[in-house]
Amino acid sequence: GAGVSQSPSNKVTEKGKDVELRCDPISGHTALYWYRQSLGQGLEFLIYFQGNSAPDKSGLPSDRFSAERTGGSVSTLTIQRTQQEDSAVYLCASSGGQPHTEAFFGQGTRLTVV
Amino acid sequence: AQKITQTQPGMFVQEKEAVTLDCTYDTSDQSYGLFWYKQPSSGEMIFLIYQGSYDEQNATEGRYSLNFQKARKSANLVISASQLGDSAMYFCAMMRFSGGYNKLIFGAGTRLAVHP
Repeated sequence: GAGVSQSPSNKVTEKGKDVELRCDPISGHTALYWYRQSLGQGLEFLIYFQGNSAPDKSGLPSDRFSAERTGGSVSTLTIQRTQQEDSAVYLCASSGGQPHTEAFFGQGTRLTVV
Repeated sequence: AQKITQTQPGMFVQEKEAVTLDCTYDTSDQSYGLFWYKQPSSGEMIFLIYQGSYDEQNATEGRYSLNFQKARKSANLVISASQLGDSAMYFCAMMRFSGGYNKLIFGAGTRLAVHP
Protein backbone atom coordinates (compact mmCIF):
# COMPACT_ATOMS: atom_id res chain seq x y z
CA GLY A 1 0.00 0.00 0.00
CA ALA A 2 0.89 3.64 -0.17
CA GLY A 3 1.37 4.09 3.56
CA VAL A 4 1.58 2.27 6.88
CA SER A 5 -1.74 0.72 7.76
CA GLN A 6 -2.82 -0.27 11.26
CA SER A 7 -5.88 -2.19 12.31
CA PRO A 8 -8.14 -1.89 14.09
CA SER A 9 -8.19 1.87 14.45
CA ASN A 10 -10.08 1.54 17.73
CA LYS A 11 -10.37 -1.38 20.10
CA VAL A 12 -12.33 -1.60 23.33
CA THR A 13 -11.69 -4.73 25.34
CA GLU A 14 -12.49 -6.07 28.76
CA LYS A 15 -9.80 -6.36 31.37
CA GLY A 16 -8.18 -9.78 31.21
CA LYS A 17 -8.86 -10.38 27.52
CA ASP A 18 -6.12 -10.77 24.88
CA VAL A 19 -5.85 -8.34 21.97
CA GLU A 20 -3.95 -8.36 18.68
CA LEU A 21 -2.92 -5.20 16.92
CA ARG A 22 -1.84 -5.37 13.30
CA CYS A 23 0.61 -3.27 11.29
CA ASP A 24 1.10 -3.37 7.52
CA PRO A 25 4.30 -1.45 6.73
CA ILE A 26 5.23 0.23 3.48
CA SER A 27 6.28 -2.40 0.96
CA GLY A 28 10.03 -2.95 0.98
CA HIS A 29 10.65 -1.29 4.32
CA THR A 30 12.99 -3.48 6.34
CA ALA A 31 12.67 -1.74 9.69
CA LEU A 32 9.43 -1.75 11.67
CA TYR A 33 8.78 -0.07 15.01
CA TRP A 34 6.07 -0.23 17.66
CA TYR A 35 5.47 2.60 20.11
CA ARG A 36 2.93 3.28 22.83
CA GLN A 37 1.60 6.78 23.46
CA SER A 38 -0.53 7.65 26.45
CA LEU A 39 -2.69 10.76 26.30
CA GLY A 40 -0.58 13.88 25.94
CA GLN A 41 2.66 11.95 26.41
CA GLY A 42 5.65 11.05 24.29
CA LEU A 43 6.30 7.92 22.24
CA GLU A 44 7.40 5.01 24.39
CA PHE A 45 9.55 2.60 22.40
CA LEU A 46 8.30 -0.98 22.56
CA ILE A 47 10.09 -3.10 19.95
CA TYR A 48 12.03 -2.81 16.72
CA PHE A 49 12.17 -5.34 13.89
CA GLN A 50 14.85 -5.60 11.22
CA GLY A 51 13.37 -7.97 8.69
CA ASN A 52 11.68 -10.72 10.68
CA SER A 53 14.01 -10.54 13.66
CA ALA A 54 13.70 -8.26 16.66
CA PRO A 55 17.15 -7.02 17.65
CA ASP A 56 15.63 -4.80 20.31
CA LYS A 57 12.58 -5.70 22.36
CA SER A 58 13.79 -3.85 25.42
CA GLY A 59 10.75 -1.60 25.59
CA LEU A 60 8.12 -4.29 26.03
CA PRO A 61 6.61 -3.46 29.44
CA SER A 62 6.04 -7.04 30.61
CA ASP A 63 5.85 -10.62 29.44
CA ARG A 64 2.18 -10.01 28.61
CA PHE A 65 3.42 -8.13 25.53
CA SER A 66 4.81 -9.91 22.50
CA ALA A 67 5.24 -9.13 18.83
CA GLU A 68 6.12 -10.93 15.68
CA ARG A 69 6.76 -10.07 12.07
CA THR A 70 6.36 -12.48 9.21
CA GLY A 71 7.61 -12.39 5.64
CA GLY A 72 9.47 -9.20 6.37
CA SER A 73 6.13 -7.45 6.19
CA VAL A 74 3.10 -7.60 8.49
CA SER A 75 3.63 -7.33 12.23
CA THR A 76 1.31 -8.23 15.08
CA LEU A 77 1.55 -6.87 18.60
CA THR A 78 -0.22 -9.10 21.11
CA ILE A 79 -1.19 -8.07 24.60
CA GLN A 80 -2.34 -10.89 26.85
CA ARG A 81 -4.54 -10.49 29.91
CA THR A 82 -5.01 -6.79 29.26
CA GLN A 83 -4.94 -4.35 32.16
CA GLN A 84 -6.39 -0.85 32.38
CA GLU A 85 -2.90 0.65 32.29
CA ASP A 86 -2.48 -0.83 28.80
CA SER A 87 -4.97 1.75 27.51
CA ALA A 88 -3.11 3.97 25.04
CA VAL A 89 -2.57 4.61 21.36
CA TYR A 90 -0.25 2.05 19.80
CA LEU A 91 1.69 3.46 16.86
CA CYS A 92 3.54 1.51 14.22
CA ALA A 93 6.17 2.95 11.89
CA SER A 94 8.32 1.58 9.12
CA SER A 95 11.54 2.73 7.52
CA GLY A 96 13.86 1.74 4.73
CA GLY A 97 16.60 1.86 7.36
CA GLN A 98 18.99 3.77 5.15
CA PRO A 99 20.52 7.15 5.98
CA HIS A 100 18.39 10.10 4.94
CA THR A 101 15.17 8.08 5.09
CA GLU A 102 12.58 8.93 7.67
CA ALA A 103 10.15 6.58 9.38
CA PHE A 104 6.55 6.66 8.23
CA PHE A 105 3.79 6.22 10.76
CA GLY A 106 0.42 4.56 10.70
CA GLN A 107 -2.63 6.26 12.14
CA GLY A 108 -2.41 4.21 15.31
CA THR A 109 -4.69 1.86 17.22
CA ARG A 110 -6.50 3.38 20.18
CA LEU A 111 -6.83 0.66 22.80
CA THR A 112 -9.23 1.08 25.69
CA VAL A 113 -9.34 -1.52 28.42
CA VAL A 114 -12.52 -1.38 30.52
CA ALA B 1 22.75 3.72 24.77
CA GLN B 2 20.70 6.25 22.85
CA LYS B 3 18.85 9.03 24.64
CA ILE B 4 16.92 12.07 23.48
CA THR B 5 16.11 14.97 25.79
CA GLN B 6 13.59 17.72 25.16
CA THR B 7 13.62 20.04 28.15
CA GLN B 8 10.71 22.29 27.18
CA PRO B 9 7.36 20.68 27.98
CA GLY B 10 5.53 23.69 26.53
CA MET B 11 6.35 26.78 24.49
CA PHE B 12 4.37 29.85 23.46
CA VAL B 13 5.06 32.03 20.44
CA GLN B 14 3.33 34.94 18.80
CA GLU B 15 2.12 34.43 15.27
CA LYS B 16 4.73 35.44 12.64
CA GLU B 17 7.60 35.22 15.13
CA ALA B 18 10.35 32.59 15.15
CA VAL B 19 10.65 29.90 17.81
CA THR B 20 13.37 27.42 18.75
CA LEU B 21 12.56 24.00 20.18
CA ASP B 22 15.45 22.39 22.01
CA CYS B 23 16.73 18.85 21.58
CA THR B 24 19.86 17.22 22.94
CA TYR B 25 20.90 13.64 22.37
CA ASP B 26 23.34 11.09 23.64
CA THR B 27 24.93 8.33 21.61
CA SER B 28 28.29 6.67 21.19
CA ASP B 29 27.63 5.98 17.52
CA GLN B 30 29.30 7.93 14.76
CA SER B 31 26.60 7.36 12.17
CA TYR B 32 23.09 8.46 13.08
CA GLY B 33 20.22 10.59 11.93
CA LEU B 34 18.17 13.18 13.73
CA PHE B 35 14.53 13.82 12.91
CA TRP B 36 11.78 16.17 13.92
CA TYR B 37 8.13 15.19 13.76
CA LYS B 38 4.98 17.23 14.33
CA GLN B 39 1.90 15.71 15.92
CA PRO B 40 -1.22 17.89 15.69
CA SER B 41 -4.28 17.19 17.78
CA SER B 42 -5.47 14.77 15.10
CA GLY B 43 -2.72 12.41 16.26
CA GLU B 44 -0.92 11.81 12.97
CA MET B 45 2.87 11.93 12.96
CA ILE B 46 4.19 14.32 10.32
CA PHE B 47 7.86 14.23 9.34
CA LEU B 48 9.38 17.72 9.22
CA ILE B 49 13.13 17.61 8.76
CA TYR B 50 16.18 15.34 8.85
CA GLN B 51 19.86 15.87 9.72
CA GLY B 52 22.53 13.24 9.21
CA SER B 53 25.46 13.06 11.58
CA TYR B 54 27.90 13.53 8.71
CA ASP B 55 26.00 16.41 7.10
CA GLU B 56 28.10 19.54 7.37
CA GLN B 57 25.31 21.94 6.54
CA ASN B 58 22.29 22.53 8.72
CA ALA B 59 19.14 21.08 7.19
CA THR B 60 16.37 23.39 6.02
CA GLU B 61 12.86 22.62 4.78
CA GLY B 62 10.79 25.68 4.05
CA ARG B 63 10.09 27.45 7.36
CA TYR B 64 11.87 24.70 9.31
CA SER B 65 15.58 24.62 9.95
CA LEU B 66 17.67 22.42 12.18
CA ASN B 67 20.44 24.02 14.22
CA PHE B 68 22.85 21.08 14.42
CA GLN B 69 25.76 21.41 16.85
CA LYS B 70 27.46 18.03 16.78
CA ALA B 71 30.06 18.72 19.47
CA ARG B 72 27.31 19.80 21.86
CA LYS B 73 25.04 16.96 20.70
CA SER B 74 22.16 19.30 20.08
CA ALA B 75 19.68 19.44 17.21
CA ASN B 76 17.32 22.32 17.83
CA LEU B 77 14.36 22.97 15.53
CA VAL B 78 13.80 26.54 14.41
CA ILE B 79 10.40 27.48 13.03
CA SER B 80 10.38 30.85 11.32
CA ALA B 81 7.29 33.01 10.80
CA SER B 82 5.06 30.90 13.05
CA GLN B 83 1.52 30.21 11.92
CA LEU B 84 -1.54 29.24 13.92
CA GLY B 85 -1.41 25.83 12.26
CA ASP B 86 1.99 25.21 13.83
CA SER B 87 0.32 24.63 17.19
CA ALA B 88 1.07 20.97 17.93
CA MET B 89 3.37 18.57 19.75
CA TYR B 90 6.88 18.41 18.34
CA PHE B 91 9.10 15.37 18.80
CA CYS B 92 12.83 15.06 18.27
CA ALA B 93 14.04 11.58 17.33
CA MET B 94 17.29 9.75 16.63
CA MET B 95 18.00 6.69 14.51
CA ARG B 96 21.22 4.74 14.60
CA PHE B 97 22.73 3.70 11.28
CA SER B 98 25.43 1.42 12.68
CA GLY B 99 25.85 -2.14 11.44
CA GLY B 100 22.36 -2.36 10.02
CA TYR B 101 20.86 -1.64 13.44
CA ASN B 102 18.35 1.15 13.03
CA LYS B 103 16.58 1.68 16.35
CA LEU B 104 14.55 4.89 16.39
CA ILE B 105 13.81 6.62 19.69
CA PHE B 106 11.92 9.79 20.55
CA GLY B 107 12.15 12.56 23.10
CA ALA B 108 9.27 13.45 25.40
CA GLY B 109 8.07 16.20 23.11
CA THR B 110 7.38 19.93 23.31
CA ARG B 111 3.88 21.33 23.01
CA LEU B 112 3.93 24.52 20.96
CA ALA B 113 1.10 27.03 21.14
CA VAL B 114 1.01 29.81 18.55
CA HIS B 115 -0.99 32.86 19.64
CA PRO B 116 -2.58 35.36 17.22
